[in-house]
Amino acid sequence: GAVVSQHPSRVICKSGTSVKIECRSLDFQATTMFWYRQFPKQSLMLMATSNEGSKATYEQGVEKDKFLINHASLTLSTLTVTSAHPEDSSFYICSARGRGLLPLHFGNGTRLTVT
Amino acid sequence: RKEVEQDPGPFNVPEGATVAFNCTYSNSASQSFFWYRQDCRKEPKLLMSVYSSGNEDGRFTAQLNRASQYISLLIRDSKLSDSATYLCVVAGGGNKLTFGTGTQLKVEL
Repeated sequence: GAVVSQHPSRVICKSGTSVKIECRSLDFQATTMFWYRQFPKQSLMLMATSNEGSKATYEQGVEKDKFLINHASLTLSTLTVTSAHPEDSSFYICSARGRGLLPLHFGNGTRLTVT
Repeated sequence: RKEVEQDPGPFNVPEGATVAFNCTYSNSASQSFFWYRQDCRKEPKLLMSVYSSGNEDGRFTAQLNRASQYISLLIRDSKLSDSATYLCVVAGGGNKLTFGTGTQLKVEL
């Protein structure tokens, strides 16, 4: 089946630094990738949608200058958390789909801890 | 009202029991429905899609009631390995997915 790889799986960084998370589709071309965030005991919250070669669409309340998304190819999207703060500590998950098809395939997630 | 609502549980059931979860959604224009399973500190994995006529996959049965705007998941003969959080997922226009908060299931010996 379709596989989505996310890296790193876990990262600890200091407040004020930036962290980049990669999401790759390994055996299909991902025209659309989604980035979610999940706080403990809460549901996944969509942060942004990125289409290959175009700017990402951010959900209300998500700062686009803080969460930089790049979807430069059909197999790779990156999320950069800039100037991270402790409140950014969360589980970040990417997902991807091919051309207009559901359901989504999820990456294995990145647990970010900002100290 | 939340777009997708689920009873958070936990549902504690003995091995072999039958357990059912419901999920309600607020957007009557929703088009696609899914159940995902999420293990602790892991990514969600698709369990099954939910079709209008209802569908079954082994011990799992999913049903959709558009009139009442809810979907259900029935698990028969529960196994210890079924312990997880079950996420109700609804897709609306533009294929945007909305996740419920999940229902936690604990299957015990």
